[in-house]
Amino acid sequence: AQTVTQSQPEMSVQEAETVTLSCTYDTSENNYYLFWYKQPPSRQMILVIRQEAYKQQNATENRFSVNFQKAAKSFSLKISDSQLGDTAMYFCAFMKQLNYGGSQGNLIFGKGTKLSVKP
Amino acid sequence: DTEVTQTPKHLVMGMTNKKSLKCEQHMGHRAMYWYKQKAKKPPELMFVYSYEKLSINESVPSRFSPECPNSSLLNLHLHALQPEDSALYLCASSQAVFYEQYFGPGTRLTVT
Repeated sequence: AQTVTQSQPEMSVQEAETVTLSCTYDTSENNYYLFWYKQPPSRQMILVIRQEAYKQQNATENRFSVNFQKAAKSFSLKISDSQLGDTAMYFCAFMKQLNYGGSQGNLIFGKGTKLSVKP
Repeated sequence: DTEVTQTPKHLVMGMTNKKSLKCEQHMGHRAMYWYKQKAKKPPELMFVYSYEKLSINESVPSRFSPECPNSSLLNLHLHALQPEDSALYLCASSQAVFYEQYFGPGTRLTVT
């Protein structure tokens, strides 16, 4: 069974600074997808970034980037130039890829890291 | 339009009531999902529909009954719920089951 661990229940960062959220996972699979989602106080889950395990290049989306270390089973999220709107719960998630390249679609979430951006 | 809509936003129901939650997407996605989220916890998958067929049922009690009338619509029929079923119910959709999922704003359900 796959598990996702986020070891930092809460973090805070000053506006405009950089923060890194940690995520580790345990799987015996070789092919899978990893995601970061954010859930602001409004409670809507928003996709932040996606990484395919077969890609060595780390994914980036504007101020958000990941450090994907497949051998270490680590998938951290870096937020640069933090903004007040980044305040949210951040969930790391894992999805197994099936042999033919598809998936059953079941996302396995970590427990989340609550990020507060302070002015 | 990258939006998943859910109605109602809030629902209060008694344990003997029958109600339904509705989810809609117009992105042409062929996979749709129901999740349950308790306070301060991650979402837990309940059901997955792929091409309008139920592909995953995560051992959900029969008092929750999903329905996918067409590729854009997903319903969750509720009957004889328990107070512990009170939670945020999230709907999501994706292009196919191995693509990233887009979530709706959720329905906050309270069972009295």
